[in-house]
Amino acid sequence: GAVVSQHPSWVICKSGTSVKIECRSLDFQATTMFWYRQFPKQSLMLMATSNEGSKATYEQGVEKDKFLINHASLTLSTLTVTSAHPEDSSFYICSARDEVTQGGYTFGSGTRLTVV
Amino acid sequence: RKEVEQDPGPFNVPEGATVAFNCTYSNSASQSFFWYRQDCRKEPKLLMSVYSSGNEDGRFTAQLNRASQYISLLIRDSKLSDSATYLCVVNTRGAQKLVFGQGTRLTINP
Repeated sequence: GAVVSQHPSWVICKSGTSVKIECRSLDFQATTMFWYRQFPKQSLMLMATSNEGSKATYEQGVEKDKFLINHASLTLSTLTVTSAHPEDSSFYICSARDEVTQGGYTFGSGTRLTVV
Repeated sequence: RKEVEQDPGPFNVPEGATVAFNCTYSNSASQSFFWYRQDCRKEPKLLMSVYSSGNEDGRFTAQLNRASQYISLLIRDSKLSDSATYLCVVNTRGAQKLVFGQGTRLTINP
């Protein structure tokens, strides 16, 4: 089935630095990928929809200048958390769907970000 | 009002018991419905899609009531390995994004 690879699995960074998270579709092409954030004991909240070759669509309340998304190819989307602060510490998960087979949405394994 | 609402639990039931989860959604244009399972500190994984006619996959049965905008999941003969958080997920017609409920935490006790 469709596989989505997300890297890194976890990262600890200092406040004020930037962190890049990669999401790759390994065996299918994805014109659209999704970035979610999950705080402890809460559900996944969609942050933005990443569109290959065009600008991402951000959900209300998500700062596009802080969470930079680049979807330069049909198999890779990146999320960069710029000038990270402790309140950005969270579990970030990407998702994609094989649009050819119209299968279910597959999630990456997630990135646990801790900002100290 | 949240777009997808679930009882967060936690549910603690003995092994072998039958347990049911409910979920309601507010957007009548919702088209696709899913139950996902999420283990602690892991990504969600698709458990099953939910169809209008109801569907069953082994010990798991999902039901959809469009008139009431209500989705359910029934787990029979529960196993220790069923312990997880179960997420009710909805997809709206014409939109690609998924909307997640808060999740219901289930613990199966030996």
